Amino acid sequence: QKEVEQNSGPLSVPEGAIASLNCTYSDRGSQSFFWYRQYSGKSPELIMFIYSNGDKEDGRFTAQLNKASQYVSLLIRDSQPSDSATYLCAVKDGGFKTIFGAGTRLFVKA
Amino acid sequence: DTAVSQTPKYLVTQMGNDKSIKCEQNLGHDTMYWYKQDSKKFLKIMFSYNNKELIINETVPNRFSPKSPDKAHLNLHINSLELGDSAVYFCASSQVGGETQYFGPGTRLLVL
Repeated sequence: QKEVEQNSGPLSVPEGAIASLNCTYSDRGSQSFFWYRQYSGKSPELIMFIYSNGDKEDGRFTAQLNKASQYVSLLIRDSQPSDSATYLCAVKDGGFKTIFGAGTRLFVKA
Repeated sequence: DTAVSQTPKYLVTQMGNDKSIKCEQNLGHDTMYWYKQDSKKFLKIMFSYNNKELIINETVPNRFSPKSPDKAHLNLHINSLELGDSAVYFCASSQVGGETQYFGPGTRLLVL
């Protein structure tokens, strides 16, 4: 059974701090890795995707991938109250299937 | 224009009833999905169609039957609704290969 594990949180950080969200996955054949953000009562929306080992930066967001450790993370710099949401890690195999983690709730205190 | 739309947005019904949820995407994508998100926010794949062909069929009760009349539409019919079916059902679409997925607004189903 392929799994994606996340700490459910809540993770609470002060405004302006760095929020670090982590995810591990079980399938070594996984090819693509995604972070989605879901506000309460809304649908998930893509923040970032990463395919290769290392870091990928986009504005205040940095995704990190370590395939040897089967580990993906998302760093949010200069966290804002508007970043308060649930962050879903998603992992895709070489085909059509994407497995989602249960999500980490992030709360940014003003 | 909404990229992925679902109807209805809310659905309240009695146990044992049959109901349908409709999904449409105007992104030109070939692949569409149905997900179920339970009260613990766990998003679980149910079905996926690629160009009208069923490609993912997870362990879902056969009371759930998807139908894709064309690649822009994916409907979900549920027979004999049970209390445990209460959840938010999301439709999503992606280009071939299932990379970035675009989600609809969700259908909040409550079975009484």
